[in-house]
Amino acid sequence: AQSVTQLGSHVSVSEGALVLLRCNYSSSVPPYLFWYVQYPNQGLQLLLKYTSAATLVKGINGFEAEFKKSETSFHLTKPSAHMSDAAEYFCAVSKNTGGFKTIFGAGTRLFVKA
Amino acid sequence: DAGVIQSPRHEVTEMGQEVTLRCKPISGHDYLFWYRQTMMRGLELLIYFNNNVPIDDSGMPEDRFSAKMPNASFSTLKIQPSEPRDSAVYFCASSLRRGNENIQYFGAGTRLSVL
Repeated sequence: AQSVTQLGSHVSVSEGALVLLRCNYSSSVPPYLFWYVQYPNQGLQLLLKYTSAATLVKGINGFEAEFKKSETSFHLTKPSAHMSDAAEYFCAVSKNTGGFKTIFGAGTRLFVKA
Repeated sequence: DAGVIQSPRHEVTEMGQEVTLRCKPISGHDYLFWYRQTMMRGLELLIYFNNNVPIDDSGMPEDRFSAKMPNASFSTLKIQPSEPRDSAVYFCASSLRRGNENIQYFGAGTRLSVL
């Protein structure tokens, strides 16, 4: 069964510092993996997706994620944090066997300090 | 397209009252999902539809919850009777299936407070 685990419910970085949000997945088949972002009082929106075309995936707002099969990881990074990046980030895996669900992680709240 | 539209944005009601949440998916999308988000439990899938047909309602907490999708452009989530523990943000999302890719588009949510 597919699942995702996000390491760290809160991450705090200084403005301009590297952002690293960790996600590990478990899947018995090649997965479709996603990162979504949720800004305060809004719904989730897609940040980027991995669909097996390339292991390094670039998303919006300067974020990228690397799929590492050997580590079953899909960590999200951004070289330089901006105040506007403060939000909650969700890693997700698409469950396409026995249904068409997306399994979301518990979320990581990113704080950016001035 | 205006995106997924949910109404109302905020709902305050008293315990025992009926609550109806509404969702208009993105035109042309064939899947619709209802989620509930709380601090304690995170994001929970309640039910999802494919071409207006409920596929999986295993996440619906109990019989007080029901969802319908009478046509491709409208869905409701009803709670009757409501209880304080139902207080949460309820999201609707829609997607268009392309092979095995499932990118979901979320509405802004309905914040429900049951007093």
